[in-house]
Amino acid sequence: DIVMTQTPLSSPVTLGQPASISCRSSQSLVHSDGNTYLSWLQQRPGQPPRLLIYKISNRFSGVPDRFSGSGAGTDFTLKISRVETEDVGVYYCMQATQFPWTFGQGTKVEIK
Amino acid sequence: EVQVVESGGGLVQPGQSLRLSCTASGFTFGEYAMSWFRQAPGKGLEWIGFIRGKAYGETKEYAASVKGRFAISKDDSKSIAYLQMSSLKTEDTAVYYCTRYSGSSVDYWGQGTLVTVSS
Repeated sequence: DIVMTQTPLSSPVTLGQPASISCRSSQSLVHSDGNTYLSWLQQRPGQPPRLLIYKISNRFSGVPDRFSGSGAGTDFTLKISRVETEDVGVYYCMQATQFPWTFGQGTKVEIK
Repeated sequence: EVQVVESGGGLVQPGQSLRLSCTASGFTFGEYAMSWFRQAPGKGLEWIGFIRGKAYGETKEYAASVKGRFAISKDDSKSIAYLQMSSLKTEDTAVYYCTRYSGSSVDYWGQGTLVTVSS
């Protein structure tokens, strides 16, 4: 199984300041079709997960442009350019390149 | 508007069975793959299974933790996906989520349904 490792696990951030979450996979996430199926999901308190970013850097419909994804191969990053109150929650990276699909442990973003 | 709504959760005893339903709307159900996930109380997300669309023979994939006990199916005529769970264990206690798979990622998630396995 592909192991996904996120850092940090907790990220206290000042409102309006940037935040960055790293996700590393135990093997390359490049699929045989040439795509990299790495997604980022947000889970606000008491809510179901919500797709933010797919295939490394594509923002899903309705996702604010302060969220951006980058990376390649085994190393990926989610950045929030200016954290807002509504961004509080847990963020997960997820790989769908190979079954079983796997998640990072989650990073809790909170306001300082 | 794309929506998926889970139902069928509840309290069951260890060893019993339960079937969850996922009712979809807002898209041509038969053309999409669907997937199920779960989240134990206070824990992270776990993928448990996947069913391809009709064009790919509705073949299925399962996590090792549920293989042989859980079965996914779909009824395209009703736009419903099912998760049949048998031989339930206390560690299966979780919120179960149904999602649509777009071909690039799981894009729409339901609100989830809670399954509690306890004697």
